[in-house]
Amino acid sequence: DTGVSQNPRHKITKRGQNVTFRCDPISEHNRLYWYRQTLGQGPEFLTYFQNEAQLEKSRLLSDRFSAERPKGSFSTLEIQRTEQGDSAMYLCASISEGNTEAFFGQGTRLTVV
Amino acid sequence: LAKTTQPISMDSYEGQEVNITCSHNNIATNDYITWYQQFPSQGPRFIIQGYKTKVTNEVASLFIPADRKSSTLSLPRVSLSDTAVYYCLGTNAGNMLTFGGGTRLMVKP
Repeated sequence: DTGVSQNPRHKITKRGQNVTFRCDPISEHNRLYWYRQTLGQGPEFLTYFQNEAQLEKSRLLSDRFSAERPKGSFSTLEIQRTEQGDSAMYLCASISEGNTEAFFGQGTRLTVV
Repeated sequence: LAKTTQPISMDSYEGQEVNITCSHNNIATNDYITWYQQFPSQGPRFIIQGYKTKVTNEVASLFIPADRKSSTLSLPRVSLSDTAVYYCLGTNAGNMLTFGGGTRLMVKP
């Protein structure tokens, strides 16, 4: 399968714990996006990478959130000291250079209890 | 960034044609109009994209008038499996994708 892969698919964590999600984009897609989606809402932009450079971050991305894409391939999104309000679906998408069609992964559903 | 406005929800019946209209009054000159479909617990999936006039693929048609201030996604002969949320976006290479609330389409038997 050559689509966007996200792991884990589901994560349940206790409030205050740290969690890390991984996204493997489509090979050679240089742009990678993270979104958060809560029930009944559209996806909200969190951050964007072009290759390994993080070019844009939403104000939604508090200091507890950090994202990396160290070699310009896979990316990780870490949430420190999780809060119940962090419960959501976290989506990753990748786009190839010069294109606008985004390919999304199936998401990681985070539940903070 | 282009702000888009769509109906919150629509109902239809199997076999009918469904038209979902999106307003994007301030779409940028170099933005394309792109539609995505999302099923529960899945990421959005690209359906169709256009700049002006009409575009058709195996899934849908997209109608864009000359002023580009709106667009209409047309789904011919919908089935139950077309029940999903449909998002309209203004997109261009290099920009982040900004999703609105989308239109929840419910197809009934």
